[in-house]
Parts: sequence; structure tokens; C-alpha cells
Amino acid sequence: KNEVEQSPQNLTAQEGEFITINCSYSVGISALHWLQQHPGGGIVSLFMLSSGKKKHGRLIATINIQEKHSSLHITASHPRDSAVYICAALNFGNEKLTFGTGTRLTIIP
Amino acid sequence: DAGVTQSPTHLIKTRGQQVTLRCSPISGHKSVSWYQQVLGQGPQFIFQYYEKEERGRGNFPDRFSARQFPNYSSELNVNALLLGDSALYLCASSPLRGLLDSPLHFGNGTRLTVT
Repeated sequence: KNEVEQSPQNLTAQEGEFITINCSYSVGISALHWLQQHPGGGIVSLFMLSSGKKKHGRLIATINIQEKHSSLHITASHPRDSAVYICAALNFGNEKLTFGTGTRLTIIP
Repeated sequence: DAGVTQSPTHLIKTRGQQVTLRCSPISGHKSVSWYQQVLGQGPQFIFQYYEKEERGRGNFPDRFSARQFPNYSSELNVNALLLGDSALYLCASSPLRGLLDSPLHFGNGTRLTVT
């Protein structure tokens, strides 16, 4: 069992739909990162959070430390949101990042 | 300001050869970390360097080594290449040693193909 698991693995939705991507982790963490990876490989950091909720534009990230679960939400989805979204847990103590396998999101116009 | 730059962008090597990948962090960033991403999987941590010293190492064989230079740029070396080393190698920089208080900035990666 991976220390960081994401669901779903693949998600296809129509433009405008509300999107939720989930991340569960089994290790003790200091923080959790949400990352966006476009075709070609470049990764952009979207959020780093250790508690509560953060919002940036149409993106919202939440984390529940007790339940070891985080979600990334996209409101009013757009084709340009199509990418792989990866969560990464910053391990408590050794501060190593453990990555999920990613969720491939495709938004259809 | 320039972002994290990696070179080369693509590389094809033969089994048994050696390869050196390069990373230049964002100006002022002293921490560089390396990750391997095999196709269809999430990245895996290889090394972290801060102030020219190794600060963390993932579960990779000794064929993998790295170093950080006085200007904070870094090289990742892989010896005796195996087919399984084919992957996207990502470099990330951050201003501080600890990753708790500083976001990561990734380069676009070097895609290594071993034949």
C-alpha cells in the first residue's frame, strides 16, 4: 500500500463542472503539497497546507489532519485545467516528500 | 527572474553508460532536490542538497550520486545505466533547507531514455 494515495486516477468532466480530487496519506506529515503537471513534465506548485483550507482563484485545497485526508477542488472547470494533479506529503521529522501517483484530469469543452 | 533550469531537456543513452544531469536553481535559492518520475507514476525523492551538503537521500542505489556547487547549481550523476533508469528527472529549488516554510519550484525536467 502506497503511503500517499490519490483518487480518482483519471477524471473526465465537462467544462464548467465542479471537480474534486482526493488524497489520503498514512504517514505523519508536516504539510501537504498540491502540484500541477502539464504534458511535457513541468510541475507547478499550487498549494502547501498544514491545516484548514486555502483558496487561489478557482482552486480550493482542504486538509483534515485527523482523518489524514486532503482534497483539491476546482470550480467552474475549464479545458486549460486539463493536467495531472499530484499531492505530495512532507514527512514529519525527515522532511522528505512522498508523492501520490497523480490524477489525470481532462476537461472537455 | 529565471526559474529553475535543467539541462539537457532530452537525453538518450545506452545501458552501462554514465550520465550527468544539471540544474540551476532560482537565484537566491540554496536548496536543490532531485526526483525521478517513471512514466505513469508520481515522482520519487532521490537527493536533497543544502549549502553544498547532502541533507537527504531516497532509496536509490549507489549508482546515483549528486553534488552542489558554490553557486548552488547541482549535478545528478547516474553510473552503469539500466533500462529502468529511463524516466523524467526533476530538479526543484527552495530558498530554505526545510521544506515546511518554503514552496518548491520545479524545473521542466530532463527526459532520459536508456536503450
